Amino acid sequence: NAGVTQTPKFRVLKTGQSMTLLCAQDMNHEYMYWYRQDPGMGLRLIHYSVGEGTTAKGEVPDGYNVSRLKKQNFLLGLESAAPSQTSVYFCASSSGTSDGTDTQYFGPGTRLTVL
Amino acid sequence: AQKITQTQPGMFVQEKEAVTLDCTYDTSDQSYGLFWYKQPSSGEMIFLIYQGSYDEQNATEGRYSLNFQKARKSANLVISASQLGDSAMYFCAMREGMIYNQGGKLIFGQGTELSVKP
Repeated sequence: NAGVTQTPKFRVLKTGQSMTLLCAQDMNHEYMYWYRQDPGMGLRLIHYSVGEGTTAKGEVPDGYNVSRLKKQNFLLGLESAAPSQTSVYFCASSSGTSDGTDTQYFGPGTRLTVL
Repeated sequence: AQKITQTQPGMFVQEKEAVTLDCTYDTSDQSYGLFWYKQPSSGEMIFLIYQGSYDEQNATEGRYSLNFQKARKSANLVISASQLGDSAMYFCAMREGMIYNQGGKLIFGQGTELSVKP
């Protein structure tokens, strides 16, 4: 099993360009998440999904859109990139078990620079 | 209001000694979960240990243990017999509420950078 994979690993954009980050998991997990990590800070939640076809906003959703058309994939889109979106982006997934022991497993991250 | 507080930006420990990384949290939920993750210089997030708010015993996973003091709202990570490979950033995180009604979202602290000296 590959676990959680992210594509691409690195990307440089110019202000105003758009791009899509792809997250894929092969653990049959129901829940998926997108976080961003800025220097000196912990991870902050952008958007999340509790199942195929569902999405919800997290703590810092502005400037991002997401889609979960297939259970195993969670896409993060930037429609018009801004320098403030320079960050490392992490995708995570969890099984969503009701007993509370759900653990989020993270992908390797995507380092995005917006010039 | 900051919900997860890690007051130690950086810490040093001698190899083979134990070290405690502090984490305090704030929530009004009765049901919540506390997690610790390790982030080495390579950047990936590695799950270490989990403690549920209703768990009466402190969680342990190998050399990692979680010192859970509910009344003080603290969830400190204890690493015993430190190894050079333990040098990394460590994050405390909290999940408020039950996953099925709050989506399992995690709130992270700012992290503690641990350096293990030979």
